[in-house]
Amino acid sequence: DSGVTQTPKHLITATGQRVTLRCSPRSGDLSVYWYQQSLDQGLQFLIQYYNGEERAKGNILERFSAQQFPDLHSELNLSSLELGDSALYFCASSPERGSSGNTIYFGEGSWLTVV
Amino acid sequence: AQKVTQAQTEISVVEKEDVTLDCVYETRDTTYYLFWYKQPPSGELVFLIRRNSFDEQNEISGRYSWNFQKSTSSFNFTITASQVVDSAVYFCALITGFQKLVFGTGTRLLVSP
Repeated sequence: DSGVTQTPKHLITATGQRVTLRCSPRSGDLSVYWYQQSLDQGLQFLIQYYNGEERAKGNILERFSAQQFPDLHSELNLSSLELGDSALYFCASSPERGSSGNTIYFGEGSWLTVV
Repeated sequence: AQKVTQAQTEISVVEKEDVTLDCVYETRDTTYYLFWYKQPPSGELVFLIRRNSFDEQNEISGRYSWNFQKSTSSFNFTITASQVVDSAVYFCALITGFQKLVFGTGTRLLVSP
């Protein structure tokens, strides 16, 4: 158990809908990361937050947004869903802003299926 | 730019065989960290090891060992006496400075009884 908690574990929704994925980081970790894993794109970095502030942005679509709350949990919002958004979405956390020196622990992921 | 290459897409072995998973990385930074993660069929990403660029000492943990060679920009992972439970996709990853963690494409390991 990595200590990173993600909900829901599985989600099936229709095209055009909006979903919210939730992540609770490891106790004491201030940085939260979101990654998307799809069959054709592999593991892609979406976005990072540190102590409530956006820290880095990767290949995140405009239809997607995220935030980190004062209690450090984070949410990833996916809207106007398309079939191609079907993927495994990972949340990860690390203690500090600069992630290079820290191990990044991943949650179990949220499986999103868009039908 | 950072890049991680795992040239082996899939490896199949029979239980008790030794297997080495290759990882080659590219970076211009002198300070960086390398990781290996395991993704079993259930889907979670399990951290296995982190190694910084200044520590080329090889590491052994049970049946797992890692060989880090800066001269060839490689960070290879060996499983000794493989077991069926080792079947998974293994990812090598790299991070430098305050950049994002960059993953290789993964190597699927199938261990048959």
